[in-house]
Order: sequence, then C-alpha cells, then structure tokens
Amino acid sequence: AQKITQTQPGMFVQEKEAVTLDCTYDTSDQSYGLFWYKQPSSGEMIFLIYQGSYDEQNATEGRYSLNFQKARKSANLVISASQLGDSAMYFCAMREIYNQGGKLIFGQGTELSVKP
Amino acid sequence: DTGVSQNPRHKITKRGQNVTFRCDPISEHNRLYWYRQTLGQGPEFLTYFQNEAQLEKSRLLSDRFSAERPKGSFSTLEIQRTEQGDSAMYLCASSPLARDRVGRAYEQYFGPGTRLTVT
Repeated sequence: AQKITQTQPGMFVQEKEAVTLDCTYDTSDQSYGLFWYKQPSSGEMIFLIYQGSYDEQNATEGRYSLNFQKARKSANLVISASQLGDSAMYFCAMREIYNQGGKLIFGQGTELSVKP
Repeated sequence: DTGVSQNPRHKITKRGQNVTFRCDPISEHNRLYWYRQTLGQGPEFLTYFQNEAQLEKSRLLSDRFSAERPKGSFSTLEIQRTEQGDSAMYLCASSPLARDRVGRAYEQYFGPGTRLTVT
C-alpha cells in the first residue's frame, strides 16, 4: 500500500531564509507522481510542484524546488526566500500514474510559520 | 473559468439529519474526486468519478454516504443520519484525466471545501 510520511508537525523559518520540508514515501509502483500542496487557513488546497518518478531532474517552480532522492524514497520541498504569505500547512502527496483511479494519498502535513 | 466551486462552504447540522454538498468541477475535467479532511490530518480519499461513472469508493465511504455525478458535470455528496464523527472538511477536486500522453500525472485542482459540523 502507498504511504506518505511527513515527520515535521511544525516548522519555523525567518523571513527571507530557505526552509526544507521533509517527505518520505512508500510504494511498490514503478510509475508515480509526487505533489506538494499548500493549504492556507482559508482551507483551499493549492498545487505547488510536481515530480514524476522517471524525471531525472529535480522539479522547480519559482521559489519552490523538490529535492527528489528516488533510492531513499524522499521528496523534500525546499522554499527559498521565505515570505510571510508562505505561512500555511504543506502536504506531500503521491499518485499512481497508470492506476486508472489516480487518487492522491496525502501525508499528515507540516505547519510552516514564517517569522518577520 | 473560475476553478472548482463547492456549496455550501459551511454546514452545521444536528446528529441524525441528512446533508447534501455540491461540487462544480472545472468544466473540461473528466475526473472528479471527493476527499475528507479531519482536523490536523491530511485529506483522505472517499470516491471518484470519471464522467458520470463512479469508479472507486473508499472503505471510509459507509452506507450512509452516497455520491452522484449526473451527466458528468457537477457532483453531490449526501450523508444520511449524520453522526458527530462525520464532522470534517469535505474537499472536491477535479483533473482532466489521470495522466497525459507522456505519462505525467495531472495535478488535481481543489475547491474551497465544505466544512461540516455535526452537533
């Protein structure tokens, strides 16, 4: 069965500094996608970044980058130059690519607080 | 298009009452997913539709839960005889399909959710 583990319930970072949010996953599938979502206090899940299991390069999207280490089954999110608006819950999620359903399996989340 | 919408945003009901939530996905998306999120947890999959067909249901979806997607457009999630344990945020998401032609998995676009409180 697929599983996502986020071991950091809460993280603090100083504004303008970089922060890494940890995510490890477990799957027997060869083809899968890894996602990070941000959930502000308003509740809506906002897609941030995607990494495919066969992608050789780490994904980047603006200030977000994904440190993908396939052998270790980790997909850590790096946020550079943190901003106050980055304060939110962050969820790592996984999705089988060739499974017809394609549902997302989420971790428990990390609450990030950015200090001014 | 304004994205995925859900109504109502908040619902307070008494134990034993029935409630119905609505989700309007992004218009060209074939896939529609329902998730439930309890406080301090990540969302958990409930069920999904491809067009009007409900193709998978989680074990979390007890007999008191029913979902429909008539004509493959909007979807409704009904909970009968609500219990206090049903209190949660119910999230709806949509995506074009599971993956594109080169095998990239599509992200799912989420609505704002319906927060249910059962008293």
